[in-house]
Amino acid sequence: GQQVMQIPQYQHVQEGEDFTTYCNSSTTLSNIQWYKQRPGGHPVFLIQLVKSGEVKKQKRLTFQFGEAKKNSSLHITATQTTDVGTYFCAGKSDTGNQFYFGTGTSLTVIP
Amino acid sequence: DAGITQSPRYKITETGRQVTLMCHQTWSHSYMFWYRQDLGHGLRLIYYSAAADITDKGEVPDGYVVSRSKTENFPLTLESATRSQTSVYFCASSEASPLGTQYFGPGTRLLVL
Repeated sequence: GQQVMQIPQYQHVQEGEDFTTYCNSSTTLSNIQWYKQRPGGHPVFLIQLVKSGEVKKQKRLTFQFGEAKKNSSLHITATQTTDVGTYFCAGKSDTGNQFYFGTGTSLTVIP
Repeated sequence: DAGITQSPRYKITETGRQVTLMCHQTWSHSYMFWYRQDLGHGLRLIYYSAAADITDKGEVPDGYVVSRSKTENFPLTLESATRSQTSVYFCASSEASPLGTQYFGPGTRLLVL
């Protein structure tokens, strides 16, 4: 079954509000990646985190990898309409070769 | 630079028919992947390939067959399509290992009647 869960499944925010999506794995991950998929499009790579407790920033986006390497979060500050889309986390288990994608969080930004 | 392409982009077929979805990448990436995307399930891995002639099952392989005779191509075949296989199918490639960045194709929307 699904090993990587994401919450929330949907999020509606007013433009300018902050947004956070959380990713949780039942097993320790070697790494975590984040992807963004615009409506009608395909997933596009955003970032990869590898180290325990790692924090990376891309402009208004902040990515964190948990200390136990079982969870991660993506935080967007002051959302804009261009942030609309579905955000997926994806990770590879410490054991095995498979990648598991999270269920995704669909973000709607209301102008 | 074409990158990664999929064909067809849209396909309607009937239950029981065989369907092949094509995926082609121009980067000579070692790894290639097939995912299906369904509402509420995110992206689920069907099969992946580490190199030519090496393939392995993913999370949901039943009803699908893959082959990889050349590095650049990774076709996915539905041997006898079922309605439950109606989905959006994405192919992806990665340069090095499963830990590498995955580059996705535009997707194929498949409807099985």
